[in-house]
Amino acid sequence: NAGVTQTPKFQVLKTGQSMTLQCAQDMNHEYMSWYRQDPGMGLRLIHYSVGAGITDQGEVPNGYNVSRSTTEDFPLRLLSAAPSQTSVYFCASSYGPGGTEAFFGQGTRLTVV
Amino acid sequence: SQKIEQNSEALNIQEGKTATLTCNYTNYSPAYLQWYRQDPGRGPVFLLLIRENEKEKRKERLKVTFDTTLKQSLFHITASQPADSATYLCALAKSSASKIIFGSGTRLSIRP
Repeated sequence: NAGVTQTPKFQVLKTGQSMTLQCAQDMNHEYMSWYRQDPGMGLRLIHYSVGAGITDQGEVPNGYNVSRSTTEDFPLRLLSAAPSQTSVYFCASSYGPGGTEAFFGQGTRLTVV
Repeated sequence: SQKIEQNSEALNIQEGKTATLTCNYTNYSPAYLQWYRQDPGRGPVFLLLIRENEKEKRKERLKVTFDTTLKQSLFHITASQPADSATYLCALAKSSASKIIFGSGTRLSIRP
């Protein structure tokens, strides 16, 4: 069982470039989410999905897009990278949003120069 | 606005003692409270979940309390070991259907 797999682990982008962070889970979880973690800020929710075809915004959605075409995959797209998006990104999945444990990926460390 | 506060300073504890971490929240009425452990360079790992109608929950050397009147949760690690050194995050959810919000975490160091 791989759990939650994120790729890549590290990425450096130039300002204005776009890219997609990949997230896949093999636990048949309906709920998936993306967080960013900055020093002293904790985990902040970017976007989440309660099932295939359904997504919604979290606390800090600006500059990011998501889609959920399958239960397994939940990619996060940066449309035009900015230095303020330098962060560590975590994908998580769970059976449900609030009342069950979340399983996290290893994270993607993104630097925008 | 909703706010979750954890010990802002790192906590340094002598091995064998009980470590106690605090999670306070304001402008929020969570039905669920969770605690996670995070090691450097890794994703958070779930430890315990406690519901609003539960006052206390235990798992091996871990104990969590949840006081909805004080709007506070305490996380205890008894007989602490250097391997318990990590950052510990608390997370709240209003209901089973609502999203989780996280505190900024407390870094715990256990010295031999």
